[in-house]
Amino acid sequence: QVHLVQSGSEVRKPGASLKVSCKASGYTFSSYAIHWVRQAPGQGLEWMAWINVGTGNRKISQKFQGSVTLTRDTSANIVYMELTSLRSEDSAVYYCASPSMTTPALGHWGQGTLVTVSS
Amino acid sequence: DIVMTQSPDSLAVSLGERATINCKSSQSVLYRSDNKNYLGWYQQKPGQPPKLLISGASIRESGVPDRFSGSGSGTDFTLSISSLHAEDVAVYYCQQYYISPITFGQGTRLEIK
Repeated sequence: QVHLVQSGSEVRKPGASLKVSCKASGYTFSSYAIHWVRQAPGQGLEWMAWINVGTGNRKISQKFQGSVTLTRDTSANIVYMELTSLRSEDSAVYYCASPSMTTPALGHWGQGTLVTVSS
Repeated sequence: DIVMTQSPDSLAVSLGERATINCKSSQSVLYRSDNKNYLGWYQQKPGQPPKLLISGASIRESGVPDRFSGSGSGTDFTLSISSLHAEDVAVYYCQQYYISPITFGQGTRLEIK
């Protein structure tokens, strides 16, 4: 059974950076994808980026290029998403998610990390 | 980017009645080489992450009640709930994973009438 566990809530001032983590367990193979999706308060879902934990291949949505960096620790099965130059509009719940075994759709989700950007 | 447009934005249905949500993509999400639609439906309840209900436009995930069904192909898709239960109150999203960037519909809020 795949589980994704994310780091806890964060508060930052505008212009700051932060790193959110997502620890995966239950995978029996080393090559799997972790996606990041964010949801602003009362809003819909917005895909941000993905990384293949095994190969390191990654793709970041054009909207977030330059402000999002993905890294991974393959020995610990942890993926990190660093957000830089934070603005109030970046206040959101950030989810990591991964495809299920039978489909590229996002069958597994972390619990979400609330990020609040406020002066 | 593929734009996903859902209708309606909100929907109120009586318990036991049918609920239907539509999703239209700005281009086809049918992958010709495997004849699969790269379209998923998600349910999100307050304070929870989304839950995948249906992938491939019509394939229910394990454990999803059979009152949920998906249909459609190419650019037009439908999520149906045959008999609304109280626990189905949620926001529903369609999503295409045919091409990057993955995109979601704006969501449809389903309530009880």
